[in-house]
Amino acid sequence: QVQLVESGGGVVQPGGSLRLSCAVSGFTFSNYVMHWVRQAPGKGLEWVASIRYDGSSKDYADSVKGRFIISRDNSKSTLYVQMSSLRAEDTAIYYCAKDPGSSWYGVADWGQGTLVIVSS
Amino acid sequence: DIQMTQSPSSLSASVGDKVSITCRASQSINSYLHWYQQKPGKAPKLLIYAASSLQSGVPSRFSGSGSGTDFTLTINSLQPEDFATYYCQQSYSTWTFGQGTKVEIK
Repeated sequence: QVQLVESGGGVVQPGGSLRLSCAVSGFTFSNYVMHWVRQAPGKGLEWVASIRYDGSSKDYADSVKGRFIISRDNSKSTLYVQMSSLRAEDTAIYYCAKDPGSSWYGVADWGQGTLVIVSS
Repeated sequence: DIQMTQSPSSLSASVGDKVSITCRASQSINSYLHWYQQKPGKAPKLLIYAASSLQSGVPSRFSGSGSGTDFTLTINSLQPEDFATYYCQQSYSTWTFGQGTKVEIK
């Protein structure tokens, strides 16, 4: 079955950096667009970034553009996001999500999330 | 970006009630609208895709309707396990989500 397991969350000071990972199994990773979605404490869901199959195209939410970098290693079936210049408002649970393959379908496959806290 | 507005933001209901949640898009999104259920400490769970198609394994008391800009999630005969927060999401363009509707026990 499809599994997505995030790691790398923790407490970081404002202005600091952190790299999150998402290790996947149960599907051919290199065939799918992948996403990061976050959820601030007590708040709703916010799409953060996406990356195409081969990493050739990346998109970012305006709120993280220029500070976050999404990447992937298809040989390791792992998705990453490098977060820098972190702000208090980046505090959230970060989920990786497998694109459904068509806009017609919703997101059925999510990781369990990893918590990032930006605080001094 | 396409803005998604859900209403109400919260509601109280009893087991057995029929509940409806609405989601409005800031522009037409055809039927590229999906509904999720989220419980505390858990990832979202897909309930409905393409506005009205029931995801495999989801109970038939959940249904969705609408197209264009206005959509509705209906839960017939609310069950104890349905008390949760519900989100709509559009995939017509860069994903955006509604702000959520918390369904609480009356």
